[in-house]
Amino acid sequence: AQKITQTQPGMFVQEKEAVTLDCTYDTSDQSYGLFWYKQPSSGEMIFLIYQGSYDEQNATEGRYSLNFQKARKSANLVISASQLGDSAMYFCAMRADGYGNKLVFGAGTILRVKS
Amino acid sequence: NAGVTQTPKFRILKIGQSMTLQCAQDMNHNYMYWYRQDPGMGLKLIYYSVGAGITDKGEVPNGYNVSRSTTEDFPLRLELAAPSQTSVYFCASSYYTRTGQNYGYTFGSGTRLTVV
Repeated sequence: AQKITQTQPGMFVQEKEAVTLDCTYDTSDQSYGLFWYKQPSSGEMIFLIYQGSYDEQNATEGRYSLNFQKARKSANLVISASQLGDSAMYFCAMRADGYGNKLVFGAGTILRVKS
Repeated sequence: NAGVTQTPKFRILKIGQSMTLQCAQDMNHNYMYWYRQDPGMGLKLIYYSVGAGITDKGEVPNGYNVSRSTTEDFPLRLELAAPSQTSVYFCASSYYTRTGQNYGYTFGSGTRLTVV
């Protein structure tokens, strides 16, 4: 069974600084995908970034990058130049490639950006 | 495109009542999912469907039922509501080709359900 672990219940970061949100995963599959979602206080799930298990390059999307270390089974999210609007809950999720291609979510990390 | 539409956005139920949470998508996605999110927690999979007429249980299916008579709609039925079903419910959809190509997941805006 797949499992996602986010060990940081809450994080603070100063505006304009970079922050890393940790995510480790457990799977015996060779083919899988890793996602990060942002959930602001309004509640919607906003897709941020995706990394496939066979992708050799770390994914980047604007200020977001995913530090993918396959041997360590980690997929940390790096947010550069934090903004006040980045304050939200962040979820790491894994898609197990197989029947249903279900997403498994971690418990999340609350990020607060200080001015 | 409307994407994934969930109705209602909010609902208060009394213990023992039943209701259906509606989910509709207009993207011709073949895969659809229902998740619940308890306060301060991640999302847990209730049921999913890989196509019309096919549904399967997820991690936490007890107390729920689903149907998928069309590609567009995937309603979630709560029978005999219990306080433990107080949660935010998210519907999601995705498209997978026969060769396994995927184009991501689209989430609805959620239904906040309180059972009292």
